[in-house]
This record gives sequence, structure tokens and C-alpha cells, in this order.
Amino acid sequence: ILNVEQSPQSLHVQEGDSTNFTCSFPSSNFYALHWYRWETAKSPEALFVMTLNGDEKKKGRISATLNTKEGYSYLYIKGSQPEDSATYLCAFPYGGSQGNLIFGKGTKLSVKP
Amino acid sequence: DGGITQSPKYLFRKEGQNVTLSCEQNLNHDAMYWYRQDPGQGLRLIYYSQIVNDFQKGDIAEGYSVSREKKESFPLTVTSAQKNPTAFYLCASSMSGSGANVLTFGAGSRLTVL
Repeated sequence: ILNVEQSPQSLHVQEGDSTNFTCSFPSSNFYALHWYRWETAKSPEALFVMTLNGDEKKKGRISATLNTKEGYSYLYIKGSQPEDSATYLCAFPYGGSQGNLIFGKGTKLSVKP
Repeated sequence: DGGITQSPKYLFRKEGQNVTLSCEQNLNHDAMYWYRQDPGQGLRLIYYSQIVNDFQKGDIAEGYSVSREKKESFPLTVTSAQKNPTAFYLCASSMSGSGANVLTFGAGSRLTVL
């Protein structure tokens, strides 16, 4: 089974800080890379699915970049707010287009007001 | 609203008992999944189904069973053979089994074995 690594494991920032974290995945046989946000006591929700090298996606203050050749993706949050506090998961389908997702352990972000 | 409903939210079980966790979706999704979460670990796939009346084992299927008799429903049974069943269980669905389709998740069920 392939691994998806996320770093850091946890992050504490002040309101207004910008932050970023990393997802590393196998660069061979790349098909897609998923990002999810999981707030406490809620369901994980999809942020982005990225499929192209060099792709950049944006949703409000959150953006993500993708480098399939070196096997990493960055998630950026600009001007963090307390409501951004959540665990951010990335996932990678192993086995190509019909592969099931392997999830990283997540980065837990806490934003202090 | 379309979504996934999991029940019960909390479940307590005595050792040796089988329990069934319910997962229902009204999204008309073909694919459904069961994941398990343990502290300090990523979500791990238990079983998945890409079409009605068909399902496949995931990475940690031992001690679990599923059925997919209807498109909307994908119940998970935790059997007495599962050695360490205390965990948080998440059900998810997607339009198809393609690795580029986003997953929609339920709110989860927490199972505790007494």
C-alpha cells in the first residue's frame, strides 16, 4: 500500500496569520489528489480535486497547488480565521483512475482569535 | 437536502455481539464506501461498492461484512470476529468509482465495545 504523508501534524496560528501545509504522495501513476476539510463534530467536506501538474485551485481564502512530478501539494490559507480550525486531509487514489483513496493522517489547524 | 445519513451516532456493544451500522444516501451515487478512523491514523477503507449487488474488500475488511441490495443503502456489520472494533466509522459515496470523483461523507458512527 502506498503512503500519503501530511505535514505538519498540527499547527497553531493566530487569527489573521497566513499558513500552509504539505501533502506528499507517490509521483508515479498519478491520477488525482483530493483535499478535504474536517471540522469537529461535522462530516469531512471536499475542498479540491486536482488532476493536472501545475494546477492551482482557489476557494475563498484557501488555495492549493499541485506538483505531480515531485509528488506534493500545498494547501494555503490566507488570513486565517477561527472558523478555519479543522483537520485538513489529503487523499490519493492508488491504482489510477479506478483506485480507491488513501488518506493522509491530516493536519490539524487551530486558529486563535 | 441531498446527503448521507448514518445511524446510530453512538453505539455501545458487548464483546461477542454483532452490530450493524446504517448508511443511506439520496444523492443517486453509484459508489459507496466505509472507512474507519482510529486516533493518530488516516482514514482506512473497510469495504466499498461501485454498483448495486457488488462490493469489494478494502484494506481492513477482516471482521466486517456489508451488503448493497439497494443503491441508496450500504450497511456495515461489525462482527464478533473483529478484534478491535472500538472506532469511529465513516460512510461515504461518490458519483462513480473514479479516483477523481469527490467523496461525500456522512457524520459518522462511534462504536464502543464494553
